[in-house]
Amino acid sequence: RKEVEQDPGPFNVPEGATVAFNCTYSNSASQSFFWYRQDCRKEPKLLMSVYSSGNEDGRFTAQLNRASQYISLLIRDSKLSDSATYLCVVFPDSWGKLQFGAGTQVVVTP
Amino acid sequence: DTGVSQDPRHKITKRGQNVTFRCDPISEHNRLYWYRQTLGQGPEFLTYFQNEAQLEKSRLLSDRFSAERPKGSFSTLEIQRTEQGDSAMYLCASSLSGTDSNYGYTFGSGTRLTVV
Repeated sequence: RKEVEQDPGPFNVPEGATVAFNCTYSNSASQSFFWYRQDCRKEPKLLMSVYSSGNEDGRFTAQLNRASQYISLLIRDSKLSDSATYLCVVFPDSWGKLQFGAGTQVVVTP
Repeated sequence: DTGVSQDPRHKITKRGQNVTFRCDPISEHNRLYWYRQTLGQGPEFLTYFQNEAQLEKSRLLSDRFSAERPKGSFSTLEIQRTEQGDSAMYLCASSLSGTDSNYGYTFGSGTRLTVV
């Protein structure tokens, strides 16, 4: 079993619509959680951290459910520029290193 | 300092040749990481340094791979006797210890290796 699992998609989303997807992680002791965005053939870039109480950054909302060991990302009012692969990332402990899911591809269509 | 720099951006090599990649982290970052990413997969951890000390190596890092960070600044990743299975994007990232659980890592643009 992979330590971080994501639905690979693609999620095809009409412009202006809302899309949401989850990621599950296996290590219940994991400390921190992030969503990274990766454009085709580019490096991953931090989109947002995920806090226990849930957090928003503009049109993006992240949630953490420790009991069920999943995190989610919701994108409202999708823009064409939101088309990318979204990587779920887990920081397992103080001495660990970031563990990445395989990514969820989002395609926003006009 | 504008971020993490990697060189070269692309490398095509023949099977059996040696290649070396360079990474210059953000100057105040003391941790440096190497990851490998293949198509359709997320980045996979290879190794990391805190200052000049190499603290962990993944089992993915075979004996043909070696990494150094001699003065705790830039790092090199060498692959000896390259194989076609080494074809991937090699990503370098850096962070400041004590902050990475809050801010994650900053990645360079990567070196795309193609072994023919």
